[in-house]
Amino acid sequence: GESVGLHLPTLSVQEGDNSIINCAYSNSASDYFIWYKQESGKGPQFIIDIRSNMDKRQGQRVTVLLNKTVKHLSLQIAATQPGDSAVYFCAEKVRQGNYGQNFVFGPGTRLSVLP
Amino acid sequence: KAGVTQTPRYLIKTRGQQVTLSCSPISGHRSVSWYQQTPGQGLQFLFEYFSETQRNKGNFPGRFSGRQFSNSRSEMNVSTLELGDSALYLCASSSRDWTKNIQYFGAGTRLSVL
Repeated sequence: GESVGLHLPTLSVQEGDNSIINCAYSNSASDYFIWYKQESGKGPQFIIDIRSNMDKRQGQRVTVLLNKTVKHLSLQIAATQPGDSAVYFCAEKVRQGNYGQNFVFGPGTRLSVLP
Repeated sequence: KAGVTQTPRYLIKTRGQQVTLSCSPISGHRSVSWYQQTPGQGLQFLFEYFSETQRNKGNFPGRFSGRQFSNSRSEMNVSTLELGDSALYLCASSSRDWTKNIQYFGAGTRLSVL
């Protein structure tokens, strides 16, 4: 499905707390997912990815969880810092025909870190 | 290694004009994708080019077109501009490794149509 960004959900967390950002994806056949971070005035920046044959993947301070049963992704950020304030997008890779592929992006969640 | 470079960063055009945006991918990347980002619609896929061939196209009118050159650099063209074309246009490149296909984005071109 196409992303519709009518009202950007906002998550506010205290500095040092853990953040959990959720995302629902649309295509049960999608086999690859990415989380991106976008700061004001910049393009999306890769954070972490996960393939559909995994349920969990950890990076530095970040963990992605994948629940294929309910088509749900989550991004957990440990010990949230002011520099984590940004808009976070999940993206699912979809294939078109034999060669085409593209990513479908979620609407995004704005993370605001409070001092 | 240099990242994805998009030029220009900002553009102001009037309705009816046409515009060309440029994207230089990360060295070695042969796939370039274009996206349109607006507050109302979020990130929407425009098209993908790989080895100078369009591999995939999103649901945009024919006024939106693109091409890719032999050095993998890509251009996107929008003809007969409309007010609703005002957006951030993002280019992403990837190696198109089928096992891992991270798209790396440029900073975008901010297009304003008056």
